[in-house]
Amino acid sequence: SQQGEEDPQALSIQEGENATMNCSYKTSINNLQWYRQNSGRGLVHLILIRSNEREKHSGRLRVTLDTSKKSSSLLITASRAADTASYFCATPMEYGNKLVFGAGTILRVKS
Amino acid sequence: NAGVTQTPKFQVLKTGQSMTLQCAQDMNHEYMSWYRQDPGMGLRLIHYSVGAGITDQGEVPNGYNVSRSTTEDFPLRLLSAAPSQTSVYFCASRGNRVSSYEQYFGPGTRLTVT
Repeated sequence: SQQGEEDPQALSIQEGENATMNCSYKTSINNLQWYRQNSGRGLVHLILIRSNEREKHSGRLRVTLDTSKKSSSLLITASRAADTASYFCATPMEYGNKLVFGAGTILRVKS
Repeated sequence: NAGVTQTPKFQVLKTGQSMTLQCAQDMNHEYMSWYRQDPGMGLRLIHYSVGAGITDQGEVPNGYNVSRSTTEDFPLRLLSAAPSQTSVYFCASRGNRVSSYEQYFGPGTRLTVT
């Protein structure tokens, strides 16, 4: 069964707007990761937030983590057409040896 | 560095045929893994390896075999392909430090079984 589940399944916005994606998970975690997948390509690691962190920034990305609610959010500010991709949250299990992915959010940024 | 490479990019098999998907990494990573990606289901872990000579099952191991004779290579074998194995397959690796959780993915192999 999936550990992480993203919401919404799909999101369509105009260039320059902000995009927010949410992830919920089921069990205790050491960290939570976000990945991006462009159409027909492999996944690329975006950002990792540890269980003792509440917020983390990387460029136009902002990730929050609420361990009490078992949820995380990814905010992309001032979106660009190049941000069009699928975004996945993932949580490591068994000492990091198993990475469990959610089903992903498909983001479309219209120019 | 080439990172994680996979061959072939595309493959069509008939039911019952066998084949090996190749994966190699040049980052000296101990940990390597195989995932399959199906529409609407995200990625699911098939098998993984924490070092040469050590492999273990993931979430969906049935129908697949792996071995790890070198640090660089981690091939995935389909012994008797079935239509249910039509999917996109990704190989990934990660660093050796306990704190290195981020994974590096290959470009994928798109497999169709008819």
